[in-house]
Amino acid sequence: EVRLEESGGGLVEPGGSLRLSCKVSGFSMSNARMSWVRQAPGKGLEWVARIKSKPEGGTADYAAAVKGRFVLSRDDSKNMVFLKTNSPKTEDTGVYFCTTILTGPFDNWGPGILVTVSS
Amino acid sequence: SSELTQPLSVSVAPGQTATIPCGGHDIGSHSVHWYHQRPGQAPVLVIYKDDQRPSGIPERFSGSNSGNTATLTISGAQAGDDGDYYCQLWDRSAYVFGTGTTVTVL
Repeated sequence: EVRLEESGGGLVEPGGSLRLSCKVSGFSMSNARMSWVRQAPGKGLEWVARIKSKPEGGTADYAAAVKGRFVLSRDDSKNMVFLKTNSPKTEDTGVYFCTTILTGPFDNWGPGILVTVSS
Repeated sequence: SSELTQPLSVSVAPGQTATIPCGGHDIGSHSVHWYHQRPGQAPVLVIYKDDQRPSGIPERFSGSNSGNTATLTISGAQAGDDGDYYCQLWDRSAYVFGTGTTVTVL
């Protein structure tokens, strides 16, 4: 069974920094694309970032709202992905979900982790 | 990138059929996926690539996609089908979600 577990969330001040982690178990993520999707309180789903597998080049793409501020990386030896949130804004507040992309859609999801950006 | 429009809410009686449209320009030329999210939980993939059901998803969930509308159909709705449903696709280097539809089975 594929399981994802996010960690590292919490309260961060605007302009600060936070690193979210996602631990994958139940399969090797080395050939999988990985992604983060977020959900502001009471709002819909919003894609944040995606990283390709190393065989595909390992490059990351970002939503316009976070491009230049967030950095997505992966460590296949640990079966983990990381999302560094630099210079967060209050509108970055929400639940962040880690997901796999195996066949096209967001196949598997973690339970989510809350990030609150506030002074 | 694309904008995907869904109705805010849909109500259906138990055992009846609910249809959830997802509108977008030429959406029929994209692969559309659908997710079900219950309050306080992570979304679950229920339909992928327009009309494919993942393992474990009941047959009462089906999908179609043509022209400017993709549709998720729940045939014989059950109480556990309550929640929010989102369509999603990949377009011009970005993943796009629909605005979401709250389904109430009553």
